[in-house]
Order: sequence, then structure tokens, then C-alpha cells
Amino acid sequence: SQQGEEDPQALSIQEGENATMNCSYKTSINNLQWYRQNSGRGLVHLILIRSNEREKHSGRLRVTLDTSKKSSSLLITASRAADTASYFCATDAYDYKLSFGAGTTVTVRA
Amino acid sequence: ETGVTQTPRHLVMGMTNKKSLKCEQHLGHNAMYWYKQSAKKPLELMFVYSLEERVENNSVPSRFSPECPNSSHLFLHLHTLQPEDSALYLCASSQGWTGFTEAFFGQGTRLTVV
Repeated sequence: SQQGEEDPQALSIQEGENATMNCSYKTSINNLQWYRQNSGRGLVHLILIRSNEREKHSGRLRVTLDTSKKSSSLLITASRAADTASYFCATDAYDYKLSFGAGTTVTVRA
Repeated sequence: ETGVTQTPRHLVMGMTNKKSLKCEQHLGHNAMYWYKQSAKKPLELMFVYSLEERVENNSVPSRFSPECPNSSHLFLHLHTLQPEDSALYLCASSQGWTGFTEAFFGQGTRLTVV
């Protein structure tokens, strides 16, 4: 069953701007992961944040986690055309397997 | 490339056909997964294999039949599919349960049932 839900469903920004997307989930988690998917291809892991962490950085990516609000955000700074993709959050539900949301589609305009 | 290879990349099949999707991983992982991705829907976990044993079957119709002959290979056998089965089928692998580690995905097989 779906655990994570991304918001917004779609986002269009100018190259160089920042992109922020959010993920809300329903039950307690051990960790939360973010993945990227280029059109019609497989998912690529971006970052994993554990439930006892509040913020994590990887290059131009910044992820926050607020377990009290059951929410996470992914910030992409200084966006590039190559960042155009769908972004998914995934959480481990009670059975420890990943449950994905429907994703946020990000379009970066040149 | 992620180390997970899926073939074929595209498949068109009639409702009476039998075909198989193949997935191969060279990462030494001990768990493999089949996911179904339909347009505008969350990824649906179909099957999980851990150490070559099926540990999850998410109420998938019997017209989908998985096979895991060894820890590096995973198949999805298809027969008498319906048009609503048209989707992107993704294979993934991980070392341990994906809840604790990252999953590595193949490029997917785009399946069209006519």
C-alpha cells in the first residue's frame, strides 16, 4: 500500500532556480529515501536519511526529515536541465520493504 | 548503468501470447524485486525474492509468474495478459531489505498488451 505522497505533483522552474518538493507519510519509519527517474527509465537512488537524522546533503541536494510531522523535503539547488525528471520518496513500512509515492515531475526550463 | 540489466527494453504482446522478462544483477545482492509502474500511479511491489526464495507476493494475478533460479537472475513469465497489464516493469536488487539499504533498479521493460 502507498505510504509516501509527494507534493506538488508537478513543478516547472527556470534553470538556476531551486526546486523544492515534499513528501508526507503515514506510519513510523526507519528511514526515508529519495529516487530520481528520467523519462521511461529506471529509478536512481539519490539519498537515504535515517529516522534519527534531521538533515542530509549530497552535492546540490538537501533532504530534511521531520518525524513529528511525518514529512520530508528534497531541495535541489541551482537546477540544471539535466535535473528534469520525476522524483520519488520511498519509506520502509511495517514490513521493511520500500513503499513509493506517485512522484513529483520536475521540468527545468532553459 | 546501475549493475541491473533488464531485457527486453520494449515488448508488445497479444493477449494469448506467452513471454518472459529477464533481469540480471552483477552486484552480489541477495534480494531481488519486481515492480509495476503504471502512468500517474505509485510503484507497485509485485514480488520479492530473498536468497532465491519468494518472500512476498502482493496479490498479483496468476498470469504473472516469477522465477529466481539463482541470486543473480530473476524472470517474470507472462501469459494471457490483459490490456490493463500494459506498464513499465522494473526489476531491482538490494543487499538486504530495501527498507535499510538503497535499491538498484534496471532500466525497465515497457510492456504493451494488445
